[in-house]
Order: sequence, then C-alpha cells, then structure tokens
Amino acid sequence: QKEVEQNSGPLSVPEGAIASLNCTYSDRGSQSFFWYRQYSGKSPELIMSIYSNGDKEDGRFTAQLNKASQYVSLLIRDSQPSDSATYLCAVNSNGYALNFGKGTSLLVTP
Amino acid sequence: EAQVTQNPRYLITVTGKKLTVTCSQNMNHEYMSWYRQDPGLGLRQIYYSMNVEVTDKGDVPEGYKVSRKEKRNFPLILESPSPNQTSLYFCASSPGQTSTDTQYFGPGTRLTVL
Repeated sequence: QKEVEQNSGPLSVPEGAIASLNCTYSDRGSQSFFWYRQYSGKSPELIMSIYSNGDKEDGRFTAQLNKASQYVSLLIRDSQPSDSATYLCAVNSNGYALNFGKGTSLLVTP
Repeated sequence: EAQVTQNPRYLITVTGKKLTVTCSQNMNHEYMSWYRQDPGLGLRQIYYSMNVEVTDKGDVPEGYKVSRKEKRNFPLILESPSPNQTSLYFCASSPGQTSTDTQYFGPGTRLTVL
C-alpha cells in the first residue's frame, strides 16, 4: 500500500495570508504529484501538478517538491474565502495507479 | 463541452441487487479510473484502465467489476452490492495511458445500499 499523508486540519488562515499545505508520500519511485481542490459536494479539480524537484508557480499557487525527503507542499498566497475547500494531494504510483491523501480542510476567514 | 459524465447521480438500492454505474468521456482520453470517497478514508482507487480492453485493480477492487470495450465508456458494475459499498463514486479520465497526467473527474454518483 502506497501511503500519502496529509494533516486533516482544519487549517484556518485569515484572508490575505499565506496558506501552507503539506503532504508526504512513501513510494520513492513516484514521479508525478498533484494538488486537487474539492469543494463540499463537488468533484475534485486540479490546482497544480509537479514532476521535478523545486518550486512551480501558477498565479497565487506554488507547489514545492522534494523527492529526497518525499515531501510535496502547496502554498496559497493572498488567501481568499473562496479558497476554503479540501485540498487533496495525489501521487502517481507504478505509472498507472494514483494514490490520494485524505485531504486537508482549509478555512479562510474574512 | 469536454466532460466526464456519470449516471445515475444518485442511487438507493438494496443488498444483492446488481447495478451498473456508467461513465463516459468525450475527450478521447486513453486512461479512465474509478474512485470511491468515504469520510475519513479519502479517495481510494477501485480500478483503472490504460486503454481499451486493458484494466487493472486499484487499492479497493473487491466487490466491483469493470469493462472497457470502447474508449469513451468505463462502467462500474456491482454484481451483489452490500451496505459497505455505500459511498460517493467518482469516475475520472486523463489523456495519456498512465496516471501521470491531469485527471478530469465526473460529477460523482452517490450510492446507498440498504
């Protein structure tokens, strides 16, 4: 069983602050890493994908990957109340399977 | 509109009554997958398919069957549903033949087995 671990939260941040979401994984052979956002009652939607060590930025979102430490994170700058959702970390395994963490609930307070 | 569709969206059934949840995508995607989502357990992969006629088990395949006879369709079959299969089910697809691409999720099917 390939493990993907996330803190369940809730993580509460004030509007305008930086939200930091973390994820660790057990399969050293994993090559692809994803952050999905899921609003209550809705389906997951992709926020970021990252494949190489380092940072990848897209607007207010930055994904960070450290394969040596088996760690991937998502930073959300200038957090907005509309960012309140559950964030799912997903890690590719064996090239075909995709393992998800249980998700971190983020609450951005006005 | 590019999308993944699932039917039905909601289903209440009884133990042992065979059912099929359909999944269809109109994006010509190679890879399709089924997940179930349960409180406290997150999203867990049931089965995936890399191409027509090629499927493989995910983490929780027991009690489920799938088939991939056409590229666009990937139905999930519960031949003898049990209450522990009550869950929210998502179908997803992605362009390549692996899980290294972005997956696009359907709207979900909420299944209750009494």
